[in-house]
Amino acid sequence: GEDVEQSLFLSVREGDSSVINCTYTDSSSTYLYWYKQEPGAGLQLLTYIFSNMDMKQDQRLTVLLNKKDKHLSLRIADTQTGDSAIYFCAPSMNYGGSQGNLIFGKGTKLSVKP
Amino acid sequence: ETGVTQTPRHLVMGMTNKKSLKCEQHLGHNAMYWYKQSAKKPLELMFVYNFKEQTENNSVPSRFSPECPNSSHLFLHLHTLQPEDSALYLCASSQDGFWTGVVNEQFFGPGTRLTVL
Repeated sequence: GEDVEQSLFLSVREGDSSVINCTYTDSSSTYLYWYKQEPGAGLQLLTYIFSNMDMKQDQRLTVLLNKKDKHLSLRIADTQTGDSAIYFCAPSMNYGGSQGNLIFGKGTKLSVKP
Repeated sequence: ETGVTQTPRHLVMGMTNKKSLKCEQHLGHNAMYWYKQSAKKPLELMFVYNFKEQTENNSVPSRFSPECPNSSHLFLHLHTLQPEDSALYLCASSQDGFWTGVVNEQFFGPGTRLTVL
């Protein structure tokens, strides 16, 4: 089945850039999502990229997709303490004409130090 | 507020108890999901309902029983659980529409923290 791998922890200083990496196995994913989970809360969609793109920029967020290597990354510029959370990579699985379900990695816990 | 609510937020139960988790979405979505989030494990998809029909059951033990009476409500009935079932149970909803090109964004509730003693 589909497998999604992420490193479990990342620690950065406030103001630095954070880069969270993800590798996945299902090459048919149409959309690839990044979700954010703050303490005590459910997951919230942060951004996504369509599979025919290799980069998407959204304010402080940059998503890079390397389809050949099945590698997805999320870069957060000027990281703030409020960015401390768990970040999940979630490629979509496609079946039967539907975009299907999401497969989540274990999540990367980002800690931002002042 | 994501438009998805879950009750209760916390639940402690014994192994012989029967309880139910409730999820409600106010977004007009047609698909709802149950996930299990355990420490240091990937988020596990348990059940998917699309237009009130169960379309996915990822080998979940029968002590977990879902119910979707309408497209806005989803329940997870629990009975004779084991301590390893202690986890955060997340509900999500989405508007499933590949044919319309709609991005399948899932909106998550805050979860129910379940502890099985």
